[in-house]
Amino acid sequence: DSGVTQTPKHLITATGQRVTLRCSPRSGDLSVYWYQQSLDQGLQFLIQYYNGEERAKGNILERFSAQQFPDLHSELNLSSLELGDSALYFCASSVTPLLEETQYFGPGTRLLVL
Amino acid sequence: AQTVTQSQPEMSVQEAETVTLSCTYDTSESDYYLFWYKQPPSRQMILVIRQEAYKQQNATENRFSVNFQKAAKSFSLKISDSQLGDAAMYFCAYTGGATNKLIFGTGTLLAVQP
Repeated sequence: DSGVTQTPKHLITATGQRVTLRCSPRSGDLSVYWYQQSLDQGLQFLIQYYNGEERAKGNILERFSAQQFPDLHSELNLSSLELGDSALYFCASSVTPLLEETQYFGPGTRLLVL
Repeated sequence: AQTVTQSQPEMSVQEAETVTLSCTYDTSESDYYLFWYKQPPSRQMILVIRQEAYKQQNATENRFSVNFQKAAKSFSLKISDSQLGDAAMYFCAYTGGATNKLIFGTGTLLAVQP
């Protein structure tokens, strides 16, 4: 158990819908990362937050947004869902955003868009 | 742009034997870190080992060790005394530059034969 929690574990929804994925980082970690794992794109970085502020952006679609709240938990919002958004979404956390920090991954949220 | 390449989609090893998984990367950064993550059927991402680029000594964690060849930009993972529980997908990952986002390879699926 990495100490990073993600809810829900599974999510099934329809095209066009909107969902929210939630992540609680390890105690003491200020930086949160979101990654997407899909069959065609592999594992790719979406976005990073540090202490409530966006720090880095990757291949995140405009239909997706995220935020980190004062209590440091983070939410990833996916809207106008398409079949291709079906994937495993990971949250990871680290103490700081420095290069030497190891990122610890949550168990992931498996999203299926029908 | 930084890239990570894993050229072995699948590997197989006999229990108690040794196997080496290959990884190459491309970067122009001087300060970076390399990782191997394990993803078992549960899909949890588990850190196996990490290597700091500035360290010449190869990292070791119990039965897991790396062969880091900085000039060749090669970072292979050696698993000694393979166990059935080592069966998983293994991802090589890189972080460096302005952000510590992880860039992953496409993974190597390791099967362990009893």
